[in-house]
Amino acid sequence: TVVTQEPSLTVSPGGTVTLTCASSTGTVTSRFYPNWFQQRPGQAPRALIYSTGDRHSWTPARFSGALLGGKAALTLAGAQPEDEAEYYCLLYYGDSQSWVFGGGTKLTVL
Amino acid sequence: QVRLVESGGGVVQPGRSLRLSCTGSGFTFSNNDMHWVRQAPGRGLEWVAIIGYDGRKIYYGDSVKGRFSISRDNSKNMLFLQMNSLRPEDTAIYYCAKAVMGPLAATGPLRPPSEFGGQGTLVTVSS
Repeated sequence: TVVTQEPSLTVSPGGTVTLTCASSTGTVTSRFYPNWFQQRPGQAPRALIYSTGDRHSWTPARFSGALLGGKAALTLAGAQPEDEAEYYCLLYYGDSQSWVFGGGTKLTVL
Repeated sequence: QVRLVESGGGVVQPGRSLRLSCTGSGFTFSNNDMHWVRQAPGRGLEWVAIIGYDGRKIYYGDSVKGRFSISRDNSKNMLFLQMNSLRPEDTAIYYCAKAVMGPLAATGPLRPPSEFGGQGTLVTVSS
């Protein structure tokens, strides 16, 4: 099982960008319970989104999650300089009772 | 607030064992499922294992199945990872993480990680 993300993306300050997360097994649905995490250099990961589109209490409203074109998607609307980071998705696989992380997307705000 | 502190990392030879610990505070440890997640140097995140709040539900990632064992001591607010038959590819920073709270119908059959230890603990497997 491989979970695939864009290796890198660039967004302008104040702009909007969508990161995606695909599964080698096929279409990502809500039953994969997609999660999204942010990791800045030298820091521990921080959870942003769980169960496709639910924000944690600390997640800024500019981050949103959804299903888009057979993939999980994280949209950042109104990018801030502090959003420059690596972003990871996490999918649940019921057959193996396990979670699998994507390879990560390096987001540059420039 | 939630505080998770990992310990027990170090340098170990291939084939040997190591036991990691994680101490939780600032929340009701015994009510929360817990995870281990690791990150090899310069690489991405890898999910390692989960243990249910009462220790009865345990699952592992494919790369550690049969070699690693997750456990907990709720009386001491501690989570453990016993790592046996270590390989160079197990070299990584190991983070413990508290799982998302809420009904399984909302979070998934295995509640995902939500809050991580701040620094992790580095395990280096090398001869």
